[in-house]
Parts: sequence; structure tokens; C-alpha cells
Amino acid sequence: EVQLVESGGGLVQPGGSLRLSCAASGFSFSDYWMHWVRQAPGKGPVWVARMSSDGTNIGYADSVKGRFTISRDNAKNTLYLQMNSLRAEDTAVYYCARHPTLDVWGQGTMVTVSS
Amino acid sequence: EIVLTQSPGTLSLSPGERATLSCRASQIISSSYLAWYQQRPGQTPRLLIYGVSSRATGIPDRFSGSGSGTDFTLTISRLEPEDSAIYYCHQYDTSPRTFGQGTKVEV
Repeated sequence: EVQLVESGGGLVQPGGSLRLSCAASGFSFSDYWMHWVRQAPGKGPVWVARMSSDGTNIGYADSVKGRFTISRDNAKNTLYLQMNSLRAEDTAVYYCARHPTLDVWGQGTMVTVSS
Repeated sequence: EIVLTQSPGTLSLSPGERATLSCRASQIISSSYLAWYQQRPGQTPRLLIYGVSSRATGIPDRFSGSGSGTDFTLTISRLEPEDSAIYYCHQYDTSPRTFGQGTKVEV
């Protein structure tokens, strides 16, 4: 079964850091570009970042550029999102999803930025 | 960035009726890279349509997509109660990828 499982979310104070993980199974992870997408409570999805299959092509939304870093370990079939300098507006469920059509999503991990 | 505007905001229809959802882009989407997702309450978004009109695996043929340029449509023929959800369009033609604000369908 094709599956993505996110982890690493939680409650963090403004200015803090978190690292999210996305474990892939059931498909050849190393062949696929991957994305992070977030969804604030009661709002629509928003694209956050992407990474190519070999890690050489990276892109970020302007709202997270310079604060978030996407990475991957193809040997571990895992995608990461390092989030620094977190703000209240980063509060959301964070999903990883498979390129290009976002046909596979994980269940999401909740990140709450609050004092 | 390409702004996607969906209409109407909410659609209330009866089982068996037809739903027509609109997605208008602020710029031409040149490569047909337009998708639709369904999100039921408490669930993850689910891919319905990609490439404007191709149904994703396992999606019933009651769901169809059409359009070109800046105007796109998702049609749900013969609505069923389980179609109650929010539907989002998404363009993956140009970075940054963007989503519409959603249309809520109540059956």
C-alpha cells in the first residue's frame, strides 16, 4: 500500500523550531519529487515547499523562505521539513504529498505556534 | 503567482442533482496542470481530477473536469450524500503552486 506518514508536530513557542518527518512506503520514494503542503484550521491548503528526487531542485513559498528547509534521505525513504523562527501564522496541519499531482497525502501532523 | 478564485462559495443541492463548480485563474494555465481535490470533514484532501479532465484512480465517473486557459469546471452528476465536502482546485503549472479557496457542497 502506498503510504505517507508524517510526524514531529506539536506545540512550540513563537521563535522556536521543529523538524517534521514524512516516512514513505509502498512506492519507490527515490524516484519522486515531494512536497510539503499546510492547512490552517478552517482554511484551504497552501503549498509550502518542494524537493526533486535527487535533492538538487528545491523551492519554497515566499512566506517560509529563509526560515524553513526541506530535505530528504532516500536511503531512509524519508522527507523532512526543518522549521525555524516559527510564527503564530505557521500554525497548521502539515502534509507531505507526492509529485506531480499530489495524488498521495499523509494524514498530516499538527503544528501549533503559541505562547 | 496565479490566484485561483472558486465559485460559488457554497452549493446546497439534493441527491441525484448535478453540481457545477467553477475555478477561475488570474493567468492562463498553459499546460493543463489543473487538479481538483475533495476534502470531507476531518479528512485529508483526496485527488479527484488531474490534467484538467483525467480522473484519478478509483474516482467514479460521476466526477468530471473540463476547461482551458483561465476557466475550469468540476461537474458532479447525480450527487450522493457522501459527496458532501469542500472541493479545491489547484494549479501546478507555475511556481508557487496555488489552491483555490474552496467550494462547499452540501447534499
